[in-house]
Amino acid sequence: NAGVTQTPKFRVLKTGQSMTLLCAQDMNHEYMYWYRQDPGMGLRLIHYSVGEGTTAKGEVPDGYNVSRLKKQNFLLGLESAAPSQTSVYFCASSWTTSYGYTFGSGTRLTVV
Amino acid sequence: GQQLNQSPQSMFIQEGEDVSMNCTSSSIFNTWLWYKQDPGEGPVLLIALYKAGELTSNGRLTAQFGITRKDSFLNISASIPSDVGIYFCAGQDMDSNYQLIWGAGTKLIIKP
Repeated sequence: NAGVTQTPKFRVLKTGQSMTLLCAQDMNHEYMYWYRQDPGMGLRLIHYSVGEGTTAKGEVPDGYNVSRLKKQNFLLGLESAAPSQTSVYFCASSWTTSYGYTFGSGTRLTVV
Repeated sequence: GQQLNQSPQSMFIQEGEDVSMNCTSSSIFNTWLWYKQDPGEGPVLLIALYKAGELTSNGRLTAQFGITRKDSFLNISASIPSDVGIYFCAGQDMDSNYQLIWGAGTKLIIKP
């Protein structure tokens, strides 16, 4: 039982490059989330999805886009990376909005 | 916006000591969650609280949902080396609409 799998684990981008982070869950969860974690700031919600084909903005959505074409996958895209997007990105999924988020192990992104 | 104050930011303790940390919110919450994050991993749920006054244990960990519904506490008894990590509180109020609000974390360090 893999839970939540994120790829890649590490990436270095040049300013202006684009990339897609992939999140896959095998628990049949309806809700999926993308967070970024920066030192001393905890977790901040970027975008989330309440089901296949739906997406919504979180607290810090600017510079990111997402898609949820299949229930098990939630993709996070950076169209034109900026140094301010250097962070650790976590994907999570859950059965309900308040209980038991399961997190992936993170993607460490550096934008130079 | 919503504010969650988590304290302390970090703790240096001796093995065997008891640990206490807390979170306070600016509004009434209907859910409090406590997570632990090990280095290089995503947060893992420790304890979930859903009722004011609720006291729940998970091994050496005990958490309480404050009776004012604006705070929560996590205690760790007889700390051991594997307790090292970052502990996050998270909560949800009536108006959060799918979003958990996260504290900035308490970093626990055990002195050798």
